[in-house]
Amino acid sequence: GQNIDQPTEMTATEGAIVQINCTYQTSGFNGLFWYQQHAGEAPTFLSYNVLDGLEEKGRFSSFLSRSKGYSYLLLKELQMKDSASYLCAVEAAGNKLTFGGGTRVLVKP
Amino acid sequence: EAEVAQSPRYKITEKSQAVAFWCDPISGHATLYWYRQILGQGPELLVQFQDESVVDDSQLPKDRFSAERLKGVDSTLKIQPAELGDSAMYLCASSLAAGGPEAFFGQGTRLTVV
Repeated sequence: GQNIDQPTEMTATEGAIVQINCTYQTSGFNGLFWYQQHAGEAPTFLSYNVLDGLEEKGRFSSFLSRSKGYSYLLLKELQMKDSASYLCAVEAAGNKLTFGGGTRVLVKP
Repeated sequence: EAEVAQSPRYKITEKSQAVAFWCDPISGHATLYWYRQILGQGPELLVQFQDESVVDDSQLPKDRFSAERLKGVDSTLKIQPAELGDSAMYLCASSLAAGGPEAFFGQGTRLTVV
């Protein structure tokens, strides 16, 4: 089975940085995804990490440590539109994609 | 731009009735997923197809839920009979079997059982 943990909610100020942690336990790990989901909408792809290290894409960066079963999503220069849920998802053997409970990020002015 | 199509967007049904959702994945995507998402929670995998074959349906409540993808393209998820606890967003996603890792999601069907 798979177990994915991430905080339920985080609050940050516009212009600041927020780090969302995700820990996982799984067998047959292929990679780890981060998705963004605004209220009432479908999840949209943000990043995919296969190897250890940091992947940077504009204001968003994602880090993976396979040995520690740990990832984080870093959001820099927060904007009001970044208020959303952020979903950590683990891909296992056979393209099986399992999601964590999501972290709701509230950006305040 | 290619996208995953789902219908209907919203569905209200009475408990004990049958309900069906349809999904048309991005052309060429062999892997198709159905997820259920309860408000405030992450998506929960119900069933995964590889072409027309079920790869994983371990979390599908088979006494009332069924899913098919007869020709390995579009898919239907059915609930019969619907229960109040089935009220949720039902999301369909598709991905290439290999090489294109990310799954693309449809807009979902919001089901309300009354």
